[in-house]
Amino acid sequence: GAVVSQHPSRVICKSGTSVKIECRSLDFQATTMFWYRQFPKQSLMLMATSNEGSKATYEQGVEKDKFLINHASLTLSTLTVTSAHPEDSSFYICSAGLDLALEAFFGQGTRLTVV
Amino acid sequence: RKEVEQDPGPFNVPEGATVAFNCTYSNSASQSFFWYRQDCRKEPKLLMSVYSSGNEDGRFTAQLNRASQYISLLIRDSKLSDSATYLCVVTHSGNTPLVFGKGTRLSVIA
Repeated sequence: GAVVSQHPSRVICKSGTSVKIECRSLDFQATTMFWYRQFPKQSLMLMATSNEGSKATYEQGVEKDKFLINHASLTLSTLTVTSAHPEDSSFYICSAGLDLALEAFFGQGTRLTVV
Repeated sequence: RKEVEQDPGPFNVPEGATVAFNCTYSNSASQSFFWYRQDCRKEPKLLMSVYSSGNEDGRFTAQLNRASQYISLLIRDSKLSDSATYLCVVTHSGNTPLVFGKGTRLSVIA
């Protein structure tokens, strides 16, 4: 079946630095990918919709200048957390699918800790 | 009101028990419905889709009531390996993002 690969799985960074997370669709082309964030004991919350070749669409309350999304090819979307702060520490996960009405595939997730 | 609501639990049940989870959704335009399973610190994985006619996969049975905007999941003969968080998920169409409930935590105890 379709596979989505996310890297890195875990990252620890210092406050003020930037972190890039990659999401790749391995055996299909994804014109759209979704980025979610999950805080402890909370549900997955959609952050943004990544569109190949165009600007990402951000959900209300998500700062587009802080969470930079680039979807330069049909198989790769990146999320860069700029000037990270401890409150950005969370589980970030991407998803894509050939037809989300049937099934969505998730990357392995990235656990970000900002110290 | 949240778009997808679930009882967060936790549900602590002995092995072999039957357990039921409920979920309600607020957007009547929702078209597709799923149960996902999420293990601790892992990504969600599809457990089963949910259809109006109801569907069964082994020990798992899912039901959808569109009139009441209600989804259920029944697990029979619970196993230790069923311990996880079960996420109720809806989507509006094939290329729109999934909307997740907060999840219901299940612990199956020996």
